[in-house]
Amino acid sequence: QSALTQPPSASGSPGQSVTISCTGTSSDVGTYNFVSWYQQHPGKAPKLMIYEVNKRPSGVPDRFSGSKSGNTASLTVSGLQAEDEADYYCSSYAGNNKSVFGTGTTVTVL
Amino acid sequence: EVQLVESGGGLVKPGGSLRLSCAASGFTLSRYSMNWVRQAPGKGLEWVSYIDGSANYIYYGDSVKGRFTISRDDAKNSLYLQMNSLRAEDTAMYYCARDPYLSFGFDPWGQGTLVTVSS
Repeated sequence: QSALTQPPSASGSPGQSVTISCTGTSSDVGTYNFVSWYQQHPGKAPKLMIYEVNKRPSGVPDRFSGSKSGNTASLTVSGLQAEDEADYYCSSYAGNNKSVFGTGTTVTVL
Repeated sequence: EVQLVESGGGLVKPGGSLRLSCAASGFTLSRYSMNWVRQAPGKGLEWVSYIDGSANYIYYGDSVKGRFTISRDDAKNSLYLQMNSLRAEDTAMYYCARDPYLSFGFDPWGQGTLVTVSS
């Protein structure tokens, strides 16, 4: 299965919002509501921010939100803060008992 | 506190084998589905393998199928990844991760163990 497509980079000023897209196909994102988003700081393990398209694990700020339309999922970070600067990856269940990750997006807080 | 700690990484020659371990604490491993995910240096994440709580359902990514084996020891509350016929492209940080929501949402992740395949 091919990796989901994300923009390489995104940026915003503190307090602004940034939205990251994650484009798959009708075999993964388009069919299953099993889309997750992860935040990864340099040299650290990924951290789950969103699961099942729009659900937040306990402890994740409500500044992080997820949505999906057709074959594209999105992560929006509102009220950008310096600590939000990181790499973000989406993932989706891809059928046939497999999971696929996105190509990753580096978010820069200007 | 829920925690995962990987070990067993290192330098291995092409064609060699390595066994990774993931020790779980703060929860009972057998009650959860678990996964291995890897990340090549400077690259993105790649899902590697899955095992359900009963160990009856086991799945692999296409790039490792037939070479890697996932397993679990409930008495030791530990997850394993036996890696055989290793290739240069298997060089990566290997993470174990829990799937608490049964929807391939991985939480938490261990700190990772680095596997380098080189002659």
